[in-house]
Amino acid sequence: AQSVAQPEDQVNVAEGNPLTVKCTYSVSGNPYLFWYVQYPNRGLQFLLKYITGDNLVKGSYGFEAEFNKSQTSFHLKKPSALVSDSALYFCAVRSYGQNFVFGPGTRLSVLP
Amino acid sequence: EAGVTQSPTHLIKTRGQQATLRCSPISGHTSVYWYQQALGLGLQFLLWYDEGEERNRGNFPPRFSGRQFPNYSSELNVNALELEDSALYLCASSLEAGATGELFFGEGSRLTVL
Repeated sequence: AQSVAQPEDQVNVAEGNPLTVKCTYSVSGNPYLFWYVQYPNRGLQFLLKYITGDNLVKGSYGFEAEFNKSQTSFHLKKPSALVSDSALYFCAVRSYGQNFVFGPGTRLSVLP
Repeated sequence: EAGVTQSPTHLIKTRGQQATLRCSPISGHTSVYWYQQALGLGLQFLLWYDEGEERNRGNFPPRFSGRQFPNYSSELNVNALELEDSALYLCASSLEAGATGELFFGEGSRLTVL
């Protein structure tokens, strides 16, 4: 069975500081990993994905994520947070031919 | 290129009524997913359709049902509405089931049950 954990309900960071939103997963087979962002009363927007290859993937709005197979993690990072990054972030996993499974979400607050 | 479109944007119903929500996927996408999101919380998986077939179903009662049409658009029906069905219903589409592509989400349909 596939599963995703986001151990922090809420992450607070000061504007200009680096941010990390954590994600760990469990899947049989090779994982396809995704990060999405959701602003209030909106649908989810795709940020980035890892399918294969380089463990560090870069995405939209300056976000990046590092795939760590041994730790089964896929943490989202950004070197310098903006107030406008404040939103709800979801990690998701799927394997070939299987359903997408989403984590519970982490609310990021960037304080000015 | 048009994204995933959902209708209606908002829907208000009373307990016991039926609601029908519609979704048009991105052109070329054959998989459609439905999720329920209550009060800005996590996504609860409802249904997954691919090539007209139901591929998977979440842990919801049978009064939640849907279908996918030959043009890959989809419909979610909720019968005998209950107050706790009030939520944002999100539709997403992707390329065929075996692909590595991401999901593309619509803006959602907000269902309010009074």
